[in-house]
Amino acid sequence: SQTIHQWPATLVQPVGSPLSLECTVEGTSNPNLYWYRQAAGRGLQLLFYSVGIGQISSEVPQNLSASRPQDRQFILSSKKLLLSDSGFYLCAWSPTSGSQETQYFGPGTRLLVL
Amino acid sequence: AQSVSQHNHHVILSEAASLELGCNYSYGGTVNLFWYVQYPGQHLQLLLKYFSGDPLVKGIKGFEAEFIKSKFSFNLRKPSVQWSDTAEYFCAVNSYNTDKLIFGTGTRLQVFP
Repeated sequence: SQTIHQWPATLVQPVGSPLSLECTVEGTSNPNLYWYRQAAGRGLQLLFYSVGIGQISSEVPQNLSASRPQDRQFILSSKKLLLSDSGFYLCAWSPTSGSQETQYFGPGTRLLVL
Repeated sequence: AQSVSQHNHHVILSEAASLELGCNYSYGGTVNLFWYVQYPGQHLQLLLKYFSGDPLVKGIKGFEAEFIKSKFSFNLRKPSVQWSDTAEYFCAVNSYNTDKLIFGTGTRLQVFP
């Protein structure tokens, strides 16, 4: 069966520090991968999605970037964190076969920027 | 651009009450519709989805949703809620030719015994 992992679970970082959040998927090949940010009262905002290694689409201009160095690894990064980057970050995967596929979500990383 | 509206931000019910959570979307073409649920301390997971066919879709745990194309709506219903239904519920939509989901802002449901 497929599983999705995210780490760390919780992170407290000072403003201006770098960020690296990791997401890995097991039990499937060539998945679509997604990064979302969940903020209270604002739902889930799609940040990045990837349909393959090295292929990243950015949905929202921001202080963050994403990379996919391996088929089942998706990394969310920042060179300098802002206070507004605080939030709950969710990684998700789906099969590549189309828009009707369910997305499967990881446990999330809660980021607090101070 | 596509958007999803969930007008009920916070719903409080007693056990055995009936539930209906509203979801409206804006997109003129063919859409796929989803309801996801996030129970306290758990991953966001799929509750039900609609692609085509019967507009009344049944999901897990006794939930159902009805797609009404003329109203651009996909409301979630359950005839009798339980305390264990306490969770946050998200409606989502994507257009027929894209893998990207657009989520609503979510509805927090609290069920009291």
